[in-house]
Amino acid sequence: DGGITQSPKYLFRKEGQNVTLSCEQNLNHDAMYWYRQDPGQGLRLIYYSQIVNDFQKGDIAEGYSVSREKKESFPLTVTSAQKNPTAFYLCASSMRTSRRTDTQYFGPGTRLTVL
Amino acid sequence: GQQVMQIPQYQHVQEGEDFTTYCNSSTTLSNIQWYKQRPGGHPVFLIQLVKSGEVKKQKRLTFQFGEAKKNSSLHITATQTTDVGTYFCAGPAPGGNKLTFGTGTQLKVEL
Repeated sequence: DGGITQSPKYLFRKEGQNVTLSCEQNLNHDAMYWYRQDPGQGLRLIYYSQIVNDFQKGDIAEGYSVSREKKESFPLTVTSAQKNPTAFYLCASSMRTSRRTDTQYFGPGTRLTVL
Repeated sequence: GQQVMQIPQYQHVQEGEDFTTYCNSSTTLSNIQWYKQRPGGHPVFLIQLVKSGEVKKQKRLTFQFGEAKKNSSLHITATQTTDVGTYFCAGPAPGGNKLTFGTGTQLKVEL
């Protein structure tokens, strides 16, 4: 089946620890995104990548880091510098076209709780 | 920067009633997309509108794109419990292949 996978579904960490969230896609999409969603809130863009070995900061990049070494994978690290990391993290991907902004396909998300 | 607002933030309806959510952008959009997120789930793409004044229908859902391409609406006729969730609009953001999502409208349907 084609799609986006995120693991784990639930993640608990102690304050001060870095944690890496996984995102893998087999849709052959060039672009990948990370969003943060807080309860009852919309989606805020953390980082995005339009091509392998390149990524850009979104609206709330502070305290997060990413890498894009493979087309299929876009892991997100929540560092200890992120002051309020407890949230629902969503990964998405899309085709990369020059003429229009393509639709995004989302993974099931990871709920991170920092204790 | 670009802002995309939706109203209302929450809506409770009785099953069978109609529902409308409105989306307003601070900038002109080349297209508008709509997504639905079920409780506990992830956003799922519903539709994309491209042309000024465009209207598209999906069964009981009607989507409109404003003439000025700065606003859009989603209307659901005769809501059902399966319509429960949060509806987001999204428009292309300046500077690359990314979207700015609206603030969302959470719909609850009561029997």
